[in-house]
Amino acid sequence: GENVEQHPSTLSVQEGDSAVIKCTYSDSASNYFPWYKQELGKGPQLIIDIRSNVGEKKDQRIAVTLNKTAKHFSLHITETQPEDSAVYFCASRGENTGNQFYFGTGTSLTVIP
Amino acid sequence: DAGVIQSPRHEVTEMGQEVTLRCKPISGHNSLFWYRQTMMRGLELLIYFNNNVPIDDSGMPEDRFSAKMPNASFSTLKIQPSEPRDSAVYFCASSFLAGGVQETQYFGPGTRLLVL
Repeated sequence: GENVEQHPSTLSVQEGDSAVIKCTYSDSASNYFPWYKQELGKGPQLIIDIRSNVGEKKDQRIAVTLNKTAKHFSLHITETQPEDSAVYFCASRGENTGNQFYFGTGTSLTVIP
Repeated sequence: DAGVIQSPRHEVTEMGQEVTLRCKPISGHNSLFWYRQTMMRGLELLIYFNNNVPIDDSGMPEDRFSAKMPNASFSTLKIQPSEPRDSAVYFCASSFLAGGVQETQYFGPGTRLLVL
């Protein structure tokens, strides 16, 4: 099956700085990579996703990059704000496991005002 | 759309009692997932359904756990008897399966279970 690793497990940044979270996957057939944000006491919410036919996708202050050769993808948050503080999860879905998503272990991001 | 709805949001019970968690998926979605989240193990997939049929329940911890989906708009996860180690947040998620490919999963707010 797929194995998704996520780093770092915790990340603290000053407000206004950038934050980067990285994930690697093992199944070369994986073709869809969503990112979820989980705020305290809430369920994970989709914030951005990328498919294997593109290398980068951006939505305002959030961007995701994908390197299929190296089998890793990253979440970039620019101009961080205190409300970006949350736990972020990456996930992958593969052709061979089309009905399952595999989640990373999460990154707890703290933005210091 | 109201999103995925779960009830109750919080449940406190005593060891040995039966616990039933409920989920209403997003209308039109045909796949439903139950996850358990703990600090130690992160997000664990317990079971998922496609078109109301259980597809993979290999994540269900033991026979004390059971799940049903009697129709497209309702699912239950039951723990009987409950144990303190079952304390966790249980999430339900739904998505649309088309052509054998699972689209994005949307999560409910979760049920926070505490077994004393």
